[in-house]
Amino acid sequence: KQEVTQIPAALSVPEGENLVLNCSFTDSAIYNLQWFRQDPGKGLTSLLLIQSSQREQTSGRLNASLDKSSGRSTLYIAASQPGDSATYLCAVSPTDSWGKLQFGAGTQVVVTP
Amino acid sequence: NAGVMQNPRHLVRRRGQEARLRCSPMKGHSHVYWYRQLPEEGLKFMVYLQKENIIDESGMPKERFSAEFPKEGPSILRIQQVVRGDSAAYFCASSPPLIGEQFFGPGTRLTVL
Repeated sequence: KQEVTQIPAALSVPEGENLVLNCSFTDSAIYNLQWFRQDPGKGLTSLLLIQSSQREQTSGRLNASLDKSSGRSTLYIAASQPGDSATYLCAVSPTDSWGKLQFGAGTQVVVTP
Repeated sequence: NAGVMQNPRHLVRRRGQEARLRCSPMKGHSHVYWYRQLPEEGLKFMVYLQKENIIDESGMPKERFSAEFPKEGPSILRIQQVVRGDSAAYFCASSPPLIGEQFFGPGTRLTVL
């Protein structure tokens, strides 16, 4: 049974610092991995999608890496801003049911001015 | 290109009533997914649909819950005879075929009195 874990559960950093968010999964048979942000009371915004054959994806200040063999993904956010404050979720899609995203509990990030 | 639309955004029902939640996918997307976020819990997959077909309903409760995605019109998640434990945020997502990246709507927050 796939389990997705995100550490830390919460993180507070001063503006300008780089953020490092971790996601681990127990079953390496994944189709892809997706990172989202969720603002309080809102829906999810897709940040990055990494296919299982890829090692990383980049979009602006965001970079996500994937090491499928060790069951890990890391999201890096460079030069954090107060607007980056949100909950960040990772989700994996299993190869035998690729439409079924399985989510971690999230990392709640606060960036202080 | 409008995003995934969900309505209503907030729904209040009394115990025993029916709840109907609607989801219009992004233009060009033929796959729809429903997820539930219970208070203080993570997002859980419920069902994956394509037009007129249920592909994976492994996350749907066995009773009272049903979902459809007709040839014309939005996808509907229907909860019959609601109970207080059904109070949650229900999110719909859509994706284009063969790509896998899921885009989420703003959610419907169901409160059962």
